[in-house]
Amino acid sequence: AQSVTQPDIHITVSEGASLELRCNYSYGATPYLFWYVQSPGQGLQLLLKYFSGDTLVQGIKGFEAEFKRSQSSFNLRKPSVHWSDAAEYFCAVGAVSGGGADGLTFGKGTHLIIQP
Amino acid sequence: GAGVSQTPSNKVTEKGKYVELRCDPISGHTALYWYRQSLGQGPEFLIYFQGTGAADDSGLPNDRFFAVRPEGSVSTLKIQRTERGDSAVYLCASSRARDSPLHFGNGTRLTVT
Repeated sequence: AQSVTQPDIHITVSEGASLELRCNYSYGATPYLFWYVQSPGQGLQLLLKYFSGDTLVQGIKGFEAEFKRSQSSFNLRKPSVHWSDAAEYFCAVGAVSGGGADGLTFGKGTHLIIQP
Repeated sequence: GAGVSQTPSNKVTEKGKYVELRCDPISGHTALYWYRQSLGQGPEFLIYFQGTGAADDSGLPNDRFFAVRPEGSVSTLKIQRTERGDSAVYLCASSRARDSPLHFGNGTRLTVT
């Protein structure tokens, strides 16, 4: 069965500092990997996705993620966070590139707090 | 253009009652998904429609949960004999096709008292 682990429930980062959110997955086949962000009162927004090719993928809002097959990881990074990045971040794994069909499996999320 | 619309945004009901949650997908999106997000958890897949038919309902927790999409557009998630454990945010998502990106609605927060 597929699963996603986000080991950090909460992370606090100072504004302007770098950020790394961890994600480990378990999947029986070649996975499609996603990072979503959820701000209060808003729907999930796709930040980036990976399914093949270059293992470093660029997303929106200055985020990037690196796929490491040997470590079954897909960590999210940002070189300098802004107060508006405070939100809940979810890593997810799926069977197809869009994340549809058969459903996505999400991690429990990491709550990002930005300190002024 | 309009995104995925879910109504109501909040629903409070008493234990044992029946509820319906509505999802209006983006126009032209053939694929529609329901997820449930409990407090402190990530979204959990419930059911997937391709057109009018439920292509995968393996995530529905029990037979109290049912969903329809009679005309291949709007979908309704129906919960019978609600229980306090059903309290959660119910998310709907749609996509143009099976391999296209998902677009999520803002969800319906269901509270069962």
